[in-house]
Amino acid sequence: NAGVTQTPKFQVLKTGQSMTLQCAQDMNHEYMSWYRQDPGMGLRLIHYSVGAGITDQGEVPNGYNVSRSTTEDFPLRLLSAAPSQTSVYFCASSYSNMGTRHNSPLHFGNGTRLTVT
Amino acid sequence: GENVEQHPSTLSVQEGDSAVIKCTYSDSASNYFPWYKQELGKGPQLIIDIRSNVGEKKDQRIAVTLNKTAKHFSLHITETQPEDSAVYFCAAITNAGKSTFGDGTTLTVKP
Repeated sequence: NAGVTQTPKFQVLKTGQSMTLQCAQDMNHEYMSWYRQDPGMGLRLIHYSVGAGITDQGEVPNGYNVSRSTTEDFPLRLLSAAPSQTSVYFCASSYSNMGTRHNSPLHFGNGTRLTVT
Repeated sequence: GENVEQHPSTLSVQEGDSAVIKCTYSDSASNYFPWYKQELGKGPQLIIDIRSNVGEKKDQRIAVTLNKTAKHFSLHITETQPEDSAVYFCAAITNAGKSTFGDGTTLTVKP
């Protein structure tokens, strides 16, 4: 198993450009999520999904869109990049049996380092 | 919403000493509390976790304690080694899947 794969590893954008950060997992996990990591601020939840076709907002959703058309993929879209979106982005997934209310450990990808100039 | 506070932000110990990192949370709906270790240039990796129906869990040199009443939980690392040097994050997660992380603790173990 490859686990959680994020692409690209690095990206530089100009203000106003759009792009999609890709995230794929091959563990058949129901739950997937996106975080941004800024110095001294830990990991902040952007959006999450508890299954295909279902998404919800996290702590800092503004400026980002997500979709979950398949179990494996959870892309994060920046429609109009801003310098404030310069950060390291992590995708994570876990097996989550919501029916029995059982939370499971998150498996993280290795991140995408995004710079917006 | 949930608020997780983590202390200290930096911790330096001598090899062989113990290290303790503490977190507090605010949302009583949180029922799962994992700890992650992050090395430079990599994503966080789970090192230990605890659920709200358990007070303590141990795995070799690592232990976690949870006080539900006081809403705080702690990570204990004994007999620290240089390879324990990393950034450690606590998190509080609800049944609905919403996760809140602490701001991280940079642990340095001096040989």
